[in-house]
Amino acid sequence: EAQVTQNPRYLITVTGKKLTVTCSQNMNHEYMSWYRQDPGLGLRQIYYSMNVEVTDKGDVPEGYKVSRKEKRNFPLILESPSPNQTSLYFCASSLSIRVGAYNEQFFGPGTRLTVL
Amino acid sequence: DAKTTQPTSMDCAEGRAANLPCNHSTISGNEYVYWYRQIHSQGPQYIIHGLKNNETNEMASLIITEDRKSSTLILPHATLRDTAVYYCIVRVAVKRNTPLVFGKGTRLSVIA
Repeated sequence: EAQVTQNPRYLITVTGKKLTVTCSQNMNHEYMSWYRQDPGLGLRQIYYSMNVEVTDKGDVPEGYKVSRKEKRNFPLILESPSPNQTSLYFCASSLSIRVGAYNEQFFGPGTRLTVL
Repeated sequence: DAKTTQPTSMDCAEGRAANLPCNHSTISGNEYVYWYRQIHSQGPQYIIHGLKNNETNEMASLIITEDRKSSTLILPHATLRDTAVYYCIVRVAVKRNTPLVFGKGTRLSVIA
């Protein structure tokens, strides 16, 4: 089944304890992205990747890191989490981002993170 | 990208058609209309998109007015599982990065 998976789905942690949220897609998609969703603020993009070894900042990158060593995986790293990073996180992927083309974005099931 | 305006919430009886409107009066010629939905706390799900012609797929139909200033998403036979927040997004396809800008959307409640 074509899908985007995220792990863990739920995580409660403490301030400053490094964590990684994994994201994997099995559709051979070039483009992957991370969003966070907060009440009243909607979905905001954190980082995106156009392809392997190509990553760039989205609208709210502070406090996050990403890597894209393989096409299928795009982990989100919080080196020193803080309470303001408590949020619902979504990973998304799409076939490619080409000028003049649009490919639907597939979203993962979400990771609910609480930082105490 | 053009701004969209959607009603905050709507109700629909199960089995009836759900018609979700979206105003995008400042849309420009190269901007597409996209619809996504988000069932409670799940990842958003793509529904349909169009430029100027009406579109239909297995999930829904998209009707775009001739002046392109508004559109309607139609779920022909709404079920309880269609209860979700529906987002209308207007965006240029010609972009290197395509973060989706989700507004507040319309909360559709399908009632038995």
